[in-house]
Amino acid sequence: QKEVEQNSGPLSVPEGAIASLNCTYSDRGSQSFFWYRQYSGKSPELIMFIYSNGDKEDGRFTAQLNKASQYVSLLIRDSQPSDSATYLCAVPDYKLSFGAGTTVTVRA
Amino acid sequence: DADVTQTPRNRITKTGKRIMLECSQTKGHDRMYWYRQDPGLGLRLIYYSFDVKDINKGEISDGYSVSRQAQAKFSLSLESAIPNQTALYFCATSDNSGRATGELFFGEGSRLTVL
Repeated sequence: QKEVEQNSGPLSVPEGAIASLNCTYSDRGSQSFFWYRQYSGKSPELIMFIYSNGDKEDGRFTAQLNKASQYVSLLIRDSQPSDSATYLCAVPDYKLSFGAGTTVTVRA
Repeated sequence: DADVTQTPRNRITKTGKRIMLECSQTKGHDRMYWYRQDPGLGLRLIYYSFDVKDINKGEISDGYSVSRQAQAKFSLSLESAIPNQTALYFCATSDNSGRATGELFFGEGSRLTVL
């Protein structure tokens, strides 16, 4: 079983809507979770991390973690065209395991 | 200047050729990594190094080798390139504090095409 699975998308949302991205992981012992954003042709950059069950908000981004169900999600509120990118979920152990990514397109 | 620099940024080569991708960093991090990215497959780890004397295979190390010449330099070699090594390669660094285990700092990528 792949360590990190993401809904593959692509996901297209209108400007101003909420984009919802999901990620499941296989290692029940995982303690922390990271979301990276990657614009086309660019390198990934960290945008959110979460350790505790529940929600963590940072501006228009909210990360949600449910350890019992082994999933972590990222919500992008009031989506903007500048949010169009691929979003990668990552789980660390001795290395950082990445999901395949979900490509989000925000339609103006 | 970028904190993590990769050279070359783009390279086209032929099957059987030896290729070296170089990475240097000014962040002072001990940990360095090489990933490759293919469409639909995300980022997959090739090799990683936690300090100058430490080299470890990742999930897809076959056909690749690395050299950690200094804390700041980590090179990836393809001894005999083959077409399915055509990909986007990223070097990354991290420090060794707890939180930063998940925070990688990436270079701009090296796009390799093997004909």
